[in-house]
Amino acid sequence: KNEVEQSPQNLTAQEGEFITINCSYSVGISALHWLQQHPGGGIVSLFMLSSGKKKHGRLIATINIQEKHSSLHITASHPRDSAVYICAVRSSTDKLIFGTGTRLQVFP
Amino acid sequence: DTGVSQNPRHKITKRGQNVTFRCDPISEHNRLYWYRQTLGQGPEFLTYFQNEAQLEKSRLLSDRFSAERPKGSFSTLEIQRTEQGDSAMYLCASSEPGLAGQQFFGPGTRLTVL
Repeated sequence: KNEVEQSPQNLTAQEGEFITINCSYSVGISALHWLQQHPGGGIVSLFMLSSGKKKHGRLIATINIQEKHSSLHITASHPRDSAVYICAVRSSTDKLIFGTGTRLQVFP
Repeated sequence: DTGVSQNPRHKITKRGQNVTFRCDPISEHNRLYWYRQTLGQGPEFLTYFQNEAQLEKSRLLSDRFSAERPKGSFSTLEIQRTEQGDSAMYLCASSEPGLAGQQFFGPGTRLTVL
């Protein structure tokens, strides 16, 4: 079993839909990251959080430390949101442990 | 450009050859990380440095792999006697000092071993 599990693995949506991607982890962490990766490989950090909730534009990230679970929400999805979204947890030794990613496609 | 840079962006080599990749972190970042990502998978940790000290190495880093950060600034990752299984995207990231530092990623070097 992977230390970081994401669901779903693939997700398709119509423009405007509300999207949720889930992440569960089984190790102790100091922080959790949500990352976005576009074709070609570039990774952009969307959020780093250790408790509660963060919002940036149409993106919202939440974390429940007791349940070892985080969610990434995208409101009013748009085709430009199409990408791979990766959950990564920051271990006690500071390295990141990544999930396998959720491939999102948003159609017009 | 003040982001993390990596060179080369793409490398095609024949099995058995040696390759070296370079990563230039954001200048004030003292931590530097190397990750490897194979097709369809999330990245996997390889190693990381704090200044010039290599603090942790993954068991993924076989004897054919070596990483250095001689002056605490740029880092190199060398793969000797490349194998087809080494084909992957090699990602570098850097972060600010302290546990709260967010990691910033470079564009990656895509290695193809023929």
